[in-house]
Amino acid sequence: DAGVTQSPTHLIKTRGQQVTLRCSPISGHKSVSWYQQVLGQGPQFIFQYYEKEERGRGNFPDRFSARQFPNYSSELNVNALLLGDSALYLCASSLDGTPIAKETQYFGPGTRLLVL
Amino acid sequence: EDQVTQSPEALRLQEGESSSLNCSYTVSGLRGLFWYRQDPGKGPEFLFTLYSAGEEKEKERLKATLTKKESFLHITAPKPEDSATYLCAVQALYNAGNMLTFGGGTRLMVKP
Repeated sequence: DAGVTQSPTHLIKTRGQQVTLRCSPISGHKSVSWYQQVLGQGPQFIFQYYEKEERGRGNFPDRFSARQFPNYSSELNVNALLLGDSALYLCASSLDGTPIAKETQYFGPGTRLLVL
Repeated sequence: EDQVTQSPEALRLQEGESSSLNCSYTVSGLRGLFWYRQDPGKGPEFLFTLYSAGEEKEKERLKATLTKKESFLHITAPKPEDSATYLCAVQALYNAGNMLTFGGGTRLMVKP
């Protein structure tokens, strides 16, 4: 079975532009979470979606938005890009994602975004 | 606010030299503590989940333990292929979802 897939693998944008990152979860997984990892730091939580609804949001500005589709894939959008948005964007999928479930999040390879 | 602190930030070992990585955490009710391994430029790879104090899990040369305030990742007789960044993360009981709060990681280098 394929793991979590993300596209594109690399992306170069200029300040002020907009970017869309895509994620397909493991087959059968219904929850997708997005994380931002700046070089040399641990990942930071951005969003979680479960059954197409936002389940959680981290401390990120409104320039960041996301959505989940009926097939459970997800997109992360970032508007008005800043230099500080340069990072590895990670997608993680889990089976359920509810507060009660004791389950593991599995990460994709990430999308490396460079903002010039 | 949940906090996770990992130490040391970097660790250099000779092949076969055993050591431990530390993860200290502060959380209002722990649902789970997770260990991941991350190779440069790649996504984190799941290693272990620990749910309650006293719990231990092992996988090859790695053993993870949990107390009420910290977790240790013990590496026994490491090999060069164990070189990677090891990330610790906690999940809080009160979260509506499954958000993970990560530490900064420990960069491990094992020399032959």
